[in-house]
Amino acid sequence: DIQMTQSPASLSASLEEIVTITCQASQDIGNYLSWYQQKLGKSPQLLIHSATSLADGVPSRFSGSRSGTQYSLKINRLQVEDTGIYYCLQHYSAPLTFGSGTKLEIK
Amino acid sequence: QVNLLQSGAALVKPGASVKLSCKASGYTFTDYYIHWVKQSHGKSLEWIGYINPNSGYTNYNEKFKSKATLTVDKSTNTAYMELSRLTSEDSATYYCTREYPYYFDYWGQGVMVTVSS
Repeated sequence: DIQMTQSPASLSASLEEIVTITCQASQDIGNYLSWYQQKLGKSPQLLIHSATSLADGVPSRFSGSRSGTQYSLKINRLQVEDTGIYYCLQHYSAPLTFGSGTKLEIK
Repeated sequence: QVNLLQSGAALVKPGASVKLSCKASGYTFTDYYIHWVKQSHGKSLEWIGYINPNSGYTNYNEKFKSKATLTVDKSTNTAYMELSRLTSEDSATYYCTREYPYYFDYWGQGVMVTVSS
């Protein structure tokens, strides 16, 4: 199984700050990587797909990047509504695997 | 607009089975795979498996092969997941989600299953 090692586990940042969350894949997964935001008591929502493509309706302050088997989600100009838990997902091979999640709080 | 409407919360006894539903609307049901995902309380997400609504083909996470059975009813645009021989380890929120190739673009609202005597 492909392991997705996500860091940090939690993050506290100020409004307007820039934050970065990373996922390290245990093997090559190409661009089959997506990012999701989950707010308290809600379903996950797609932010980024294909490693770098912004999903429809997602603010442009979210962006994704890839360097080899390391994938990053960057949030520019952090807003209050960005609070939540963020997950990466590899869709390269079954079983599909998620990262362990990053809990983002606003200071 | 695309919508995945899941059945309501379930309280079931240990050893019993439960069948969860996921009714799709707003798109052609047979054009997209439906996946199921488990989230134990306060934990991350686990992929259970998927079904191709057109062919009925399924692919399961080995961990859930003897636990979950995925089916569809094309006449009602509904996907089902039956969980069998329930234990406390199966208490969780379960999501159905639609796959646009290689990512999940729409999710159901989730259904909480509680296993308790």
